[in-house]
Amino acid sequence: ETGVTQSPTHLIKTRGQQVTLRCSSQSGHNTVSWYQQALGQGPQFIFQYYREEENGRGNFPPRFSGLQFPNYSSELNVNALELDDSALYLCASSLGSDEQFFGPGTRLTVL
Amino acid sequence: LAKTTQPISMDSYEGQEVNITCSHNNIATNDYITWYQQFPSQGPRFIIQGYKTKVTNEVASLFIPADRKSSTLSLPRVSLSDTAVYYCLVGVSRANNLFFGTGTRLTVIP
Repeated sequence: ETGVTQSPTHLIKTRGQQVTLRCSSQSGHNTVSWYQQALGQGPQFIFQYYREEENGRGNFPPRFSGLQFPNYSSELNVNALELDDSALYLCASSLGSDEQFFGPGTRLTVL
Repeated sequence: LAKTTQPISMDSYEGQEVNITCSHNNIATNDYITWYQQFPSQGPRFIIQGYKTKVTNEVASLFIPADRKSSTLSLPRVSLSDTAVYYCLVGVSRANNLFFGTGTRLTVIP
């Protein structure tokens, strides 16, 4: 059984650029959630996708958007990057309301 | 929206039992309580989940009183490798009210 994977591992961008982060959910899981974790803080919920539809959203601006594909993999897109977007971005997959399994994260640095 | 409060840090000696309490006064009827462990630069790892009373698995126990406004994660006989940040999460996976607590940094001392 393959766990949750994320790509890339690390990424460096400059202010104003756009970025796409990718997540492959664990086999059999139909729900994907994205979190942002700033250094020294807990993960903050960005949004969740269930069967290709957005199922909830945290307090993040519209320049944070996402997609879920028929195979339940997912993308997180961030437009007009700001310095404060520098963080570890975590993806978690689950089967419905069962426990969430997190990937290793993508470390984004915005210069 | 259910928000959680945990102690910022705790220290414990190896071999001791550690209890970490999380407050969640506004927990909703459909909310579960889930605890995660996180090591630096890694994603959180599921420890245990419960709805009410007591849940036990091979690594921890979770105690939830009848009013469900708090919960206590119990780690028996901790070792140095249990040094990590522990998060309390209240919500239902399919709902839009998923919040991690502030996290408790547990340091296990030899």
